[in-house]
Parts: sequence; structure tokens; C-alpha cells
Amino acid sequence: ETGVTQTPRHLVMGMTNKKSLKCEQHLGHNAMYWYKQSAKKPLELMFVYSLEERVENNSVPSRFSPECPNSSHLFLHLHTLQPEDSALYLCASSQRAQGTYEQYFGPGTRLTVT
Amino acid sequence: DQQVKQNSPSLSVQEGRISILNCDYTNSMFDYFLWYKKYPAEGPTFLISISSIKDKNEDGRFTVFLNKSAKHLSLHIVPSQPGDSAVYFCAASAGATGANNLFFGTGTRLTVIP
Repeated sequence: ETGVTQTPRHLVMGMTNKKSLKCEQHLGHNAMYWYKQSAKKPLELMFVYSLEERVENNSVPSRFSPECPNSSHLFLHLHTLQPEDSALYLCASSQRAQGTYEQYFGPGTRLTVT
Repeated sequence: DQQVKQNSPSLSVQEGRISILNCDYTNSMFDYFLWYKKYPAEGPTFLISISSIKDKNEDGRFTVFLNKSAKHLSLHIVPSQPGDSAVYFCAASAGATGANNLFFGTGTRLTVIP
């Protein structure tokens, strides 16, 4: 495996379900990110983990719960979601250091909440 | 308030001609700018970037121009090829503040007509 992988690629869940999205990066990076992409909106940064510590949480509802057990893995735990949470969820990684900005994205998980 | 704006949701160009994608930003603290390209069912992939100390960066068929006084950047693709058909996202970062988070525009869908 190379780059950034995400599973599952598609997920349909009811509002009372609990599910998790998984992201894995094989680039040796020290930072990982969750983004939400809704139709006709810019990518919205949800969470940032740097060296496995959460450094940013952009006012994301508590029904989204991230977990970063090590620098290569990132999870997004979902529970009691709303239909408006249906979106493409993208994971990214980068080498978080002065002067480096490029982030590398996974293919995303297309989430549908019914 | 959206800090990075791509006001053209779509652009169609004939193969072999120049494609010009535009991006405006409002935050004067942004000092690094990136363009990403996204195909359907894939995550965004990094294309080209420019630091605020430059006004032009070129990589093969792709050139990014930065006009700091106008808070405007553009991506030129010459010559355009059908494989360039994708959604292009502009992103910006205020690296000097110590955070490398990226702020994205809503994207422009480029269609290159054979």
C-alpha cells in the first residue's frame, strides 16, 4: 500500500447506528487531518492531529469523535448522525514542519445518513 | 466567512488552448498557496504551489501566478489536454503564524473538449 488509504469507500448508515471511518498513511508523516466535503462547499477542516495529539477541533459536533492511536492511523467514530452529515469525508497527512504545507489526501469515504 | 474563493464553478476549454483558473483570497496573512486537482472517486492531489515571496512558479504545462496586491492567484494550463478535465481547488496557508492548516476554495470544474 502506498500513500493514504481510507476504508470503507462508501458507507450508508441510519441515524441510530455507530460506525467508524479508518485512515492509514504510508508516507512517514507526523500529522493527519479529517476534512468534510459537502456539495458546493469548500473542504471543511474538522480535526488535526500532530504527533498523535489533537491540535485542532473546528467546532465539530460531538457525534464525530476522532482517534489517533499512532502516527500512521486515524479514525473517525460516528454515532447518532443527522442526514445533513452526509458528505465525502477525506483524510490527509503531511509532514508538519516549518515551511511545509502540502497535504496528501486519501480517496475519501462517501457517507450517506438515512 | 470564506477566506478563499473560486468564483467560477466551471470552465470549458478546447484541447490545445490555455486554461486559466482563478482564485481570490481575503486573509493578508496567507503566505503560501497551492493548487489541487481532483478526479471523481479520488482524493485531491497536489499539483503546484507558490510562496508569497514569488509571483510566478512554473512546472511543465502548469504555471501559477500570484498578485499579492490584488489578493489573487491564477493557474494556467498550456496546452490543455483532455486528461486535465477535473475539479481544481485553490488552497492557502498562513504558515508564518505557525499553523500549516490549509483553507480551500469551492473548486472549479475544468472540462477540456477534444
